[in-house]
Amino acid sequence: DQQVKQNSPSLSVQEGRISILNCDYTNSMFDYFLWYKKYPAEGPTFLISISSIKDKNEDGRFTVFLNKSAKHLSLHIVPSQPGDSAVYFCAASTSGGSYIPTFGRGTSLIVHP
Amino acid sequence: EAQVTQNPRYLITVTGKKLTVTCSQNMNHEYMSWYRQDPGLGLRQIYYSMNVEVTDKGDVPEGYKVSRKEKRNFPLILESPSPNQTSLYFCASSGGADTGELFFGEGSRLTVL
Repeated sequence: DQQVKQNSPSLSVQEGRISILNCDYTNSMFDYFLWYKKYPAEGPTFLISISSIKDKNEDGRFTVFLNKSAKHLSLHIVPSQPGDSAVYFCAASTSGGSYIPTFGRGTSLIVHP
Repeated sequence: EAQVTQNPRYLITVTGKKLTVTCSQNMNHEYMSWYRQDPGLGLRQIYYSMNVEVTDKGDVPEGYKVSRKEKRNFPLILESPSPNQTSLYFCASSGGADTGELFFGEGSRLTVL
């Protein structure tokens, strides 16, 4: 049973527009959420995170929103650029000594010029 | 430069021939982990280690072994590889801080014929 779900395997967006990647989770014990970005032939790299005590975290063009009551988070990329084309993994973890994130299956984002 | 190094990056082998994928990190991280990435399945954890001499099974440990004799190294051992272990493998490490932020290696693509 997937505890972290990314229901859209792929997303296609025009350059300059907003990309919205969604993630749902089922485990209410998760209190830290991360997004990783993965290019072909490379390992995933950390992009942005959010603690459950916040509902928004922004870093440049990337913003993550957390809706705890809905157990939903989203990653917004504005404006989208062709270099953002990659697979994005949502991950969740619990604090208190656990280092073990649970990953979603990923969403492949394609940004068209 | 802080990094996680995996070797080999690419390997083609035959069923039953034992192989080891090495992983080394230079960040003095306590936590290390192995994942496999398969199409449509995302990142699935194979084994993880919270510290030296402490290892635990992840979600898909069957057919794999690991050891953690030193803090920096976490090799993945396939005693008798089978074709269903053909996959892209990633090693990752984390300094913890209760957040689960991982640093990934570049990946090892393994083909078992």
